[in-house]
Amino acid sequence: DQQVKQNSPSLSVQEGRISILNCDYTNSMFDYFLWYKKYPAEGPTFLISISSIKDKNEDGRFTVFLNKSAKHLSLHIVPSQPGDSAVYFCAARSYNNNDMRFGAGTRLTVKP
Amino acid sequence: DGGITQSPKYLFRKEGQNVTLSCEQNLNHDAMYWYRQDPGQGLRLIYYSQIVNDFQKGDIAEGYSVSREKKESFPLTVTSAQKNPTAFYLCASSPDTEVLNSPLHFGNGTRLTVT
Repeated sequence: DQQVKQNSPSLSVQEGRISILNCDYTNSMFDYFLWYKKYPAEGPTFLISISSIKDKNEDGRFTVFLNKSAKHLSLHIVPSQPGDSAVYFCAARSYNNNDMRFGAGTRLTVKP
Repeated sequence: DGGITQSPKYLFRKEGQNVTLSCEQNLNHDAMYWYRQDPGQGLRLIYYSQIVNDFQKGDIAEGYSVSREKKESFPLTVTSAQKNPTAFYLCASSPDTEVLNSPLHFGNGTRLTVT
């Protein structure tokens, strides 16, 4: 039962352009969403989050958008840099549950 | 310099043997978690613990066991009952499970290979 889905296993963009990573969820109880970035042989590191009371959160080059009615969130990276090349995981948590659900990840490659 | 330490980074075992993966944190976090990562799949929760001497099963707890005798330590034992133990195992912690806005902090993982 995959409650968080990242349907694109990979994405390739040119340096300087926008990267858009998508995530869909099925559990309407989720009200806190996060994006993690992971390099090979390392643990994921927290990137940015958004609570369900917002529809947008911005941190430098990274912006997360949340569409609750569509149960969809996206991560925008502008401008993309080669150092952004990594696997990005979408995650979600509900207020009354202590575990965090993760998507399968999207491998982003930013070409110089 | 606080963080989560997982050891060893790579672990090889023969089928039928139990193996214990270490996870230590000096972040003074209350909650600790074990996830498993397989190719093409998201991180799946094995066990989590919100407080010392208490832990809960996650989605894929079968074939695994944990203990939480100290706040800073949460070892995971992969038993011979686990059908597909070869995977990348990630330990994580968070400061307070009652606070929704608390992202997980992850260790660098242990890659377990069972042959």
